[in-house]
Amino acid sequence: AQRVTQPEKLLSVFKGAPVELKCNYSYSGSPELFWYVQYSRQRLQLLLRHISRESIKGFTADLNKGETSFHLKKPFAQEEDSAMYYCALSLSTSGSRLTFGEGTQLTVNP
Amino acid sequence: GAGVSQSPSNKVTEKGKDVELRCDPISGHTALYWYRQRLGQGLEFLIYFQGNSAPDKSGLPSDRFSAERTGESVSTLTIQRTQQEDSAVYLCASSTPRGGRNTIYFGEGSWLTVV
Repeated sequence: AQRVTQPEKLLSVFKGAPVELKCNYSYSGSPELFWYVQYSRQRLQLLLRHISRESIKGFTADLNKGETSFHLKKPFAQEEDSAMYYCALSLSTSGSRLTFGEGTQLTVNP
Repeated sequence: GAGVSQSPSNKVTEKGKDVELRCDPISGHTALYWYRQRLGQGLEFLIYFQGNSAPDKSGLPSDRFSAERTGESVSTLTIQRTQQEDSAVYLCASSTPRGGRNTIYFGEGSWLTVV
């Protein structure tokens, strides 16, 4: 069965510092990987997906199939980045459930 | 509607009572999902609908939990004989494949407290 692991429940950095939120997955096939974000008092929303190879709000994530990782990175954290971040895995692009990690609460201090 | 809508947003119920949680997906979305999130924990998959059928209900924790979807639209999650461990946020999400991609959109959740 597929599994997503986010080893850090809490992560605190200072504004302007680089930030990396770790995500590892276990699945023998080729999954689709996502990062979702939940800002305070807002609904869970998609941040980025590995297929798009995009940068959203300065965040990027590279899928490393050898290490089965999909770490989220940003070179210069901002206070507004403080939120709960979830890594998620889907088994197909055509519609299947997401398997989520337990999330990492990121706090960016001034 | 503009997004996934869930009701009620908050529900406090007595142990042993039945509750129904409703989800209105984004119009035209064929897939609908229910997740549960207990305090301090990650999202736990409950059930997935494609149209009106449920090809994956592997996450339903017990036979006290059931869900249905009608008209490829509204879905209802029913919890019978609620227990305190059912206290959680119940999240609904919907999606439809577009351009080979499947973006899942979440509602704001229904907060259930069993006392």
